Amino acid sequence: NAGVTQTPKFQVLKTGQSMTLQCAQDMNHNSMYWYRQDPGMGLRLIYYSASEGTTDKGEVPNGYNVSRLNKREFSLRLESAAPSQTSVYFCASSTGGGSDTQYFGPGTRLTVL
Amino acid sequence: GENVEQHPSTLSVQEGDSAVIKCTYSDSASNYFPWYKQELGKRPQLIIDIRSNVGEKKDQRIAVTLNKTAKHFSLHITETQPEDSAVYFCAAGDGNNRLAFGKGNQVVVIP
Repeated sequence: NAGVTQTPKFQVLKTGQSMTLQCAQDMNHNSMYWYRQDPGMGLRLIYYSASEGTTDKGEVPNGYNVSRLNKREFSLRLESAAPSQTSVYFCASSTGGGSDTQYFGPGTRLTVL
Repeated sequence: GENVEQHPSTLSVQEGDSAVIKCTYSDSASNYFPWYKQELGKRPQLIIDIRSNVGEKKDQRIAVTLNKTAKHFSLHITETQPEDSAVYFCAAGDGNNRLAFGKGNQVVVIP
């Protein structure tokens, strides 16, 4: 049972480039989340998917898009990367249906030059 | 939306002493309060959680207390050890599949 996995672990982009961060979970969870973590800012929610087929904006959605590909996979896309998107990105999942424990992936460290 | 604040931002304790971190929340509808520990370069990991129908929960050296009237909850770590050094995040959930996180507390255990 791998839990929540993310690829890649590290990425360096130039301003204006695009990329997709991948996330998968094998816990049969309904809900999945994307957060970014910046120093002193805690974990800020970018987008989430309460269940397969639905996605909703979180606290900081601008500059990002998401796709809930199936129950297992939830991807985050940066269409035109900006230096302000330099951050550590965490994917998480939970059983859903209310207030539930979220389990985090190992994170992706993204630098935009 | 929910606003969660943590105090203090940094806490230094001598090994063997106790550490207490307090969080306040704004939404009285919140009913789930987890605590996560994040070591340097690692993912946040759940260490303990509490639901609104319970006032206190313990797990070995860690405990969480909840005061719904005052809208605050606290993490208590007893007999601190060097491996307790980490950033601790509190969060509040209102049953809508989302958690609001605090900004984190750096705990440093001095050997």
